Amino acid sequence: EVQLLESGGGLVRPGGSLRLSCEASGFNFKYAMSWVRQAPGKGLEWVSSISGSSGSTYYADSVKGRFTISRDNSKNTLFLQMNSLRGDDTAVYYCVKDVFYYGSGNFDSWGQGTLVTVSS
Amino acid sequence: QSVLTQPPSVSAAPGQKVTISCSGSSSNIGNNYVSWYQQLPGSAPKVLIYDNNKRPSGIPDRFSGSKSGTSATLDITGLQTGDEADYYCGTWDSSLSAGGVFGGGTSLTVL
Repeated sequence: EVQLLESGGGLVRPGGSLRLSCEASGFNFKYAMSWVRQAPGKGLEWVSSISGSSGSTYYADSVKGRFTISRDNSKNTLFLQMNSLRGDDTAVYYCVKDVFYYGSGNFDSWGQGTLVTVSS
Repeated sequence: QSVLTQPPSVSAAPGQKVTISCSGSSSNIGNNYVSWYQQLPGSAPKVLIYDNNKRPSGIPDRFSGSKSGTSATLDITGLQTGDEADYYCGTWDSSLSAGGVFGGGTSLTVL
C-alpha cells in the first residue's frame, strides 16, 4: 500500500522559512514526485515537481526563486524548502506521487497534507 | 484564474448521470494525459481517473473519463449521495513554464 506522510508544517512569520518532508513507502520511489497546495476554501494549486532521478525540477511561477524541491532516493523522502514565505503561501501542502518517472501531472497517490500558516 | 476550465457546480438526482467538463489548450490537455480527482469535505483529494481513462483499483466503473482534442470529460453514473464532493481535473502543461495545472474545481450536488 502506498503511503505518503508529510511533516514540517506549522506557523511561521512572513519572510520566514520552513522545510517540508514527505516519507514515502509501499512503492518504488523512482517515480516523479510533486507538491500540491490548497489555500483555505480554495482549489488545488500545483507547486513543484521533481523527476525520479532528480534530473529535472519544475516550479509554479508563484514560488519560483523562493521554494526548492529535492529528494533523497536512498531514504525514500521528498523535501520542499520554503523561503521568504508570504501570507498567500498559507495552505495545506500535499505530497503526491506521479504515475510516471517524469512529471506528467497525473497523480495517483496523495498524502494527508500538512498545514502551513504564514502570519505575524 | 485556473489554466483548465471547469463548471463551478453541477447537480443531479440520485441514480442519474452527471458530466463534468474540463477545457484546456494544445499545450496541456491537447498533448498530455488527464487525471480526475475527488475531494470529499475535509479530506485529501483521491484519484478517480488517470491517463485520460484509467481507473485505479477500487474505483467503481460508475466513474469514467475521456478526452477529445483539448477537452476532457468525467462521467458519473448511478449517482449516490456519497458522491457529493469537489471534482478537479489536472494535467501537465508543456509550455515554456512547464508544470502541473488544475481546473478550478466543480462542486457536485446530489439532489
